[in-house]
Amino acid sequence: SQQGEEDPQALSIQEGENATMNCSYKTSINNLQWYRQNSGRGLVHLILIRSNEREKHSGRLRVTLDTSKKSSSLLITASRAADTASYFCATPGNTGTASKLTFGTGTRLQVTL
Amino acid sequence: GAGVSQSPRYKVAKRGQDVALRCDPISGHVSLFWYQQALGQGPEFLTYFQNEAQLDKSGLPSDRFFAERPEGSVSTLKIQRTQQEDSAVYLCASSLVRGLTYEQYFGPGTRLTVT
Repeated sequence: SQQGEEDPQALSIQEGENATMNCSYKTSINNLQWYRQNSGRGLVHLILIRSNEREKHSGRLRVTLDTSKKSSSLLITASRAADTASYFCATPGNTGTASKLTFGTGTRLQVTL
Repeated sequence: GAGVSQSPRYKVAKRGQDVALRCDPISGHVSLFWYQQALGQGPEFLTYFQNEAQLDKSGLPSDRFFAERPEGSVSTLKIQRTQQEDSAVYLCASSLVRGLTYEQYFGPGTRLTVT
């Protein structure tokens, strides 16, 4: 079963605009990860934020984490056509296989010229 | 360096056939995962290996699904007597560190279509 949900399910923006997508999860976590999936490169890890961090940056990506609300957001600034992809948040298990990931339902981002 | 590779990339099977999907993880990666991704959904965990030991198979949907990693590197996911609901993309991922949560490196997947 999916751990949580991404919001919105789909997002269409023009190149140069910012894109924000949100993720909610259900159980306590020690970190949260964001992945991107497109047909060309498959599923690729973007960024990991630990539970004791509130914000993290990597290039044009900015991730926030609010453990009290069990939510995270991914902001992509100055979007490019190459950012067109599905974006998933993923959380690790906290029992059994701690490293197995539970993915959300994904946000499909379309960046147009 | 070489990433995770999977073969075949596409597989069409008639209902009732057996299939075998192969995963070559990144060399030296201890942890190996299999996930199933239905159309329009996120990947869902199937099973986990640490070296050659299958430590978690809680996500395998039925006893028709079987996975192995006999020498701690290459892994095979086998599906017996395939059903239409098995149609999905099967993703393999590997990770360097055992037991801890680090990023996972995913292969391109095998798209299985059962007709």
